[in-house]
Amino acid sequence: ETGVTQSPTHLIKTRGQQVTLRCSSQSGHNTVSWYQQALGQGPQFIFQYYREEENGRGNFPPRFSGLQFPNYSSELNVNALELDDSALYLCASWGEDYGYTFGSGTRLTVV
Amino acid sequence: SQQGEEDPQALSIQEGENATMNCSYKTSINNLQWYRQNSGRGLVHLILIRSNEREKHSGRLRVTLDTSKKSSSLLITASRAADTASYFCATDAGATNKLIFGTGTLLAVQP
Repeated sequence: ETGVTQSPTHLIKTRGQQVTLRCSSQSGHNTVSWYQQALGQGPQFIFQYYREEENGRGNFPPRFSGLQFPNYSSELNVNALELDDSALYLCASWGEDYGYTFGSGTRLTVV
Repeated sequence: SQQGEEDPQALSIQEGENATMNCSYKTSINNLQWYRQNSGRGLVHLILIRSNEREKHSGRLRVTLDTSKKSSSLLITASRAADTASYFCATDAGATNKLIFGTGTLLAVQP
């Protein structure tokens, strides 16, 4: 059973809307990363936070933003949703003891 | 963009047979990891091999790494129907522990 929890499990939004996805990481894991996985593809790195600061970003536009909180939770925000944003969004926390632990993901559908 | 390619894209075998999946990548790495994903859900970490290692075992899993060829293979021995899933390789190349995933192999194990 994963120590990383994501909510909601599924979400349907309309093009142009904004969405917030949430992740609760394992205690003590100061690094959290977000990935986007389109259908039939491997996950692609969106960005990473370490101790509440962004310290790495993939090839995603600024309308993808994030926050990390002191209680090891984090958020992924996407503004002005586009149809191509439909994907599985995965959160992963990293710790020295085990490496990466992934959550079960949020399936976002943009219509 | 994806770091690497996985081969084959899909593999169908009978229960009890061995399954071999290959992964190629493009840049120098710190380590390479293999993950399993069931039905588009979260990723489960299987095994990590560091750049100075050539082979690693974990239960029915055997991973090899050839850094001169920038390639890795995952062998699952005595496969079971429960091994049916997508398998991804991911490379960790930088200081930020960002993972770059391959395109995945879809494994179907027929009972």
